[in-house]
Amino acid sequence: VQVLDSGGDLVRPGGSLRLSCAASGFTFNTYTMSWVRQAPGKGLEWVSAIYGNGGSTFYADSVKGRFTISRDNSKNTLYLQMNSLRADDTAVYYCVKESSDYNPYPYFDSWGQGTLVTVSS
Amino acid sequence: EMVMTQSPATLSVSPGERATLSCRASQSVSSNLAWYHHKPGQAPRLLIYGASTRATGIPARFSGSGSGTEFTLTISSLQSEDFAIYYCHQYNHGHTFGQGTKVEIK
Repeated sequence: VQVLDSGGDLVRPGGSLRLSCAASGFTFNTYTMSWVRQAPGKGLEWVSAIYGNGGSTFYADSVKGRFTISRDNSKNTLYLQMNSLRADDTAVYYCVKESSDYNPYPYFDSWGQGTLVTVSS
Repeated sequence: EMVMTQSPATLSVSPGERATLSCRASQSVSSNLAWYHHKPGQAPRLLIYGASTRATGIPARFSGSGSGTEFTLTISSLQSEDFAIYYCHQYNHGHTFGQGTKVEIK
């Protein structure tokens, strides 16, 4: 199992950025995928999740209305479109594979190495 | 709001010694508790899920216990690769992580 996250960059406040995560080693469309972030000096924060078939998405209140999670199961790739970025969105963003699909109690069994998003003028 | 509190913040241990890390939840999370090992710059790694079940490939020196609001991760004999930051994670009510315990070489 491997998840490779990418796309992090320096972006100005109010700007946009799209993160990608390439997955391999498992049947991608049968697992819920999430994004988790860690701001400098802070703890881990769950950001968003999407079911295996892409039919349902979930967001933390801190990003609702600004971020959009999506997936392309034909390419085994997960995305996070981030709009209206703010300084407090600065963080390392991790692509995460959940333990199963449609699970009310999922843990995170595989993580990417993380990609750094810096929001600054 | 669910809060996960880990203690201590830093644990200084000599190689070969035992390390005991604690995690407390502000309300019951049943056994829906996981532990992760993380070295900065690397991918976090799942150690324990369901409070006490070792993930695939995790050595037997790692053990988890507890339920409800009190949890413990024990590393029976620290190896060099075990010096890292450890996070607990409750997945009973959404997802909440503890602030981490850094295990450093004494």
